[in-house]
Amino acid sequence: DSGVTQTPKHLITATGQRVTLRCSPRSGDLSVYWYQQSLDQGLQFLIQYYNGEERAKGNILERFSAQQFPDLHSELNLSSLELGDSALYFCASSVTPESSYNEQFFGPGTRLTVL
Amino acid sequence: KNQVEQSPQSLIILEGKNCTLQCNYTVSPFSNLRWYKQDTGRGPVSLTIMTFSENTKSNGRYTATLDADTKQSSLHITASQLSDSASYICVVSLRENYGGSQGNLIFGKGTKLSVKP
Repeated sequence: DSGVTQTPKHLITATGQRVTLRCSPRSGDLSVYWYQQSLDQGLQFLIQYYNGEERAKGNILERFSAQQFPDLHSELNLSSLELGDSALYFCASSVTPESSYNEQFFGPGTRLTVL
Repeated sequence: KNQVEQSPQSLIILEGKNCTLQCNYTVSPFSNLRWYKQDTGRGPVSLTIMTFSENTKSNGRYTATLDADTKQSSLHITASQLSDSASYICVVSLRENYGGSQGNLIFGKGTKLSVKP
């Protein structure tokens, strides 16, 4: 158990809908990362927050947004969902914001299925 | 473009046998290379991390090697167990702030290992 929690574990929804994925980082970790893993693809970096502020942005679609709250939990909002958004969404956390050097601890993921 | 290629895509071995997974990368500027194990339906878990100056790192039955000149890494698993069945992901880190929209971590697609009794 990495100490990173994600809810829900599974989510099934329809095209055009909006969903919110939630992540709680490990105790003491200030940095949160969001990744998307589509079938047979490597993890794709979406966005990073550090202590409530956006730190780095990946190829995140405009339909997606995220935020990190004062208690350090983070939410990823996906709107106007399309079939291609079906994927595993992982949250990871680390103590400091330097993603190159510090180990990231991954949550169990949320599996999103868009029908 | 920064890329990480892994081979084979999948592998089936018998319990107790050894195996070696390969990772080739074209990533610059290089910071470090990590191997992760991802059980089905779970998040990746770090196995090893190697910097430019390290050419081998062990973690129990897992031994990773790094050849920074040829930009290749391998993960050798000794005396495989059923619990080794998982995807193994090679991740290469760029130096901080060089990643742009890719981010600083470049992930391979993984090798899916199945260990059969």
